[in-house]
Amino acid sequence: QVQLQESGPGLVEPSQTLSLTCTVSGGSVSSGGYCWSWLRQYPGKGLEWIGNIYYNGGTYVNPSLKSRVSFSVVASKNQFSLKLRSVTAADTAVYYCARGGLLGDFVDYWGQGTPVTVAS
Amino acid sequence: AIQLTQSPSSLSASVGDRVTITCRASQGISTDLAWYQQKPGKAPDLLIFDASDLETGVPSRFSGSGSGTDFSLTISSLQPEDFATYYCQQFNSYPRTFGQGTKVEIK
Repeated sequence: QVQLQESGPGLVEPSQTLSLTCTVSGGSVSSGGYCWSWLRQYPGKGLEWIGNIYYNGGTYVNPSLKSRVSFSVVASKNQFSLKLRSVTAADTAVYYCARGGLLGDFVDYWGQGTPVTVAS
Repeated sequence: AIQLTQSPSSLSASVGDRVTITCRASQGISTDLAWYQQKPGKAPDLLIFDASDLETGVPSRFSGSGSGTDFSLTISSLQPEDFATYYCQQFNSYPRTFGQGTKVEIK
């Protein structure tokens, strides 16, 4: 059973960088056949797919966020990470890490989600 | 980006009722559609992928159908644990997008 757990600060000041890490158990971030994804859910409940990182280091980022987002993988810790730069109040959301199919199609395993508030 | 419009936005139903939620795509997406269930304070759970394939472990009272632009999720006999919010999601093109959700409440 694959399990994912997000970690990171719950409060980020405007214009700063949000950094979140996802720790995976029961599966390997280095194995092929899947991608590792970040999604977020706004307070009004809308869901947004932020992007994916693949076992070979390839990435996909939603064009709406492309200039502000980067991903990384630390295979030795079975972790992958999200950095979102220059945050504003509009980035306040619950952030989920997840496992998607090889084509980044749909999510079959989700983390529990971590709420992030952007405020001073 | 492909827009997904779910209807209704919310509905009230009783245990045992048959419930159908629809999802309309702004352009054709073949059968590249998934459905998720989300309960308060929890992450979404995958119910159906490829428009009609049931995820392992999901009860058979859930079913999905459709192709192109029109899709539906049906719960054949609503159970107490089915009161939740349901989302559709397309994976035909990037960026992947979600419907706005349908909240199923107890009548």
